[in-house]
Amino acid sequence: KAGVTQTPRYLIKTRGQQVTLSCSPISGHRSVSWYQQTPGQGLQFLFEYFSETQRNKGNFPGRFSGRQFSNSRSEMNVSTLELGDSALYLCASSPWTDTDTQYFGPGTRLTVL
Amino acid sequence: QQQVKQSPQSLIVQKGGISIINCAYENTAFDYFPWYQQFPGKGPALLIAIRPDVSEKKEGRFTISFNKSAKQFSLHIMDSQPGDSATYFCAARGNTDKLIFGTGTRLQVFP
Repeated sequence: KAGVTQTPRYLIKTRGQQVTLSCSPISGHRSVSWYQQTPGQGLQFLFEYFSETQRNKGNFPGRFSGRQFSNSRSEMNVSTLELGDSALYLCASSPWTDTDTQYFGPGTRLTVL
Repeated sequence: QQQVKQSPQSLIVQKGGISIINCAYENTAFDYFPWYQQFPGKGPALLIAIRPDVSEKKEGRFTISFNKSAKQFSLHIMDSQPGDSATYFCAARGNTDKLIFGTGTRLQVFP
């Protein structure tokens, strides 16, 4: 099976812009979670989607949003980018039979200038 | 109460030695404790995980020791190899289904 894929792998944006990141989970996985990884804050949970519904949300401002499509693919959007949003954004998917086990993608490296 | 504290921040071990990374938590609702390994430029990969009903779990050279009363768990890497050089994260998950990660330990294994 192909692993979790994330596109694009690298992005450079400027402050005030918005960005959309995409995640394709492992085939058959219906749960998708997003995480932000920075050197200072480590790995922080953004949100989780299951069958197109947001099931959990972390402590991030409303500028961070996401959605999941009927094929389980997910997107996250960050509006009005700030310098502090520069990070590696990781997507992880889980099979519905074992939602504890998360398989991570390689991440999207976002740089905000 | 949602934090998972991980130590040390970095660890240098000689090839063949034992690497030990420790984590502590406060929230007694946590019931799943995985360890992840991350190489530069890659996403974290699940290494081994444990639930509180057992005190130890071993998979190859990797062992998790779990102390429920102390609310601590640790990862032991036996016979450490240069290929084990990576960043290791402990994590915990409870009834909110969110994975809470430790701050990471950078392990370097020298030949």
